[in-house]
Amino acid sequence: KAGVTQTPRYLIKTRGQQVTLSCSPISGHRSVSWYQQTPGQGLQFLFEYFSETQRNKGNFPGRFSGRQFSNSRSEMNVSTLELGDSALYLCASSRTGGSDTEAFFGQGTRLTVV
Amino acid sequence: KNEVEQSPQNLTAQEGEFITINCSYSVGISALHWLQQHPGGGIVSLFMLSSGKKKHGRLIATINIQEKHSSLHITASHPRDSAVYICADGGSQGNLIFGKGTKLSVKP
Repeated sequence: KAGVTQTPRYLIKTRGQQVTLSCSPISGHRSVSWYQQTPGQGLQFLFEYFSETQRNKGNFPGRFSGRQFSNSRSEMNVSTLELGDSALYLCASSRTGGSDTEAFFGQGTRLTVV
Repeated sequence: KNEVEQSPQNLTAQEGEFITINCSYSVGISALHWLQQHPGGGIVSLFMLSSGKKKHGRLIATINIQEKHSSLHITASHPRDSAVYICADGGSQGNLIFGKGTKLSVKP
């Protein structure tokens, strides 16, 4: 059974640009959550999608957005990149979502903004 | 506000030692998660528990709901156990709220 796949693994972008990250969940999982990890703040919740609908959202500016497709694959987009957006972005999938459901994480996309 | 505190932040052990990592949370939860993150970033879910104790190989996780406290124990530690261990609690939106992690280094 294939795990959660995130692409690309590494990305370097310039300030002001935008970026799109992709997450393919485990087959049969309908919930995809996105997290940002930085050395200073640790892991922080960005948003969760379930059956193509954003179900929950963390405390991030509107430059961070996402979507989910009918096959449960999800993308997140960051517009007008800032240096502080440099981070490891992780997605996690689960069957139904919620904090009482086991989450399976991808390897992450390491974004560097220069 | 739900906060998750872990201790210690860093831990160095000799191979074979018994290791304990602690996690305290401030809000009643549906489940507490223990995660392992190796260099390179990938995160693996170790345990999800809402009461009592769970064991998987050399790893044991316990939780005390009344005290809002959980511990992760590693018996007979090995250098391959070197990683960052993160506990996570459920947030009000159903998302996970993470502790800052405990960086474990096991020396041969």
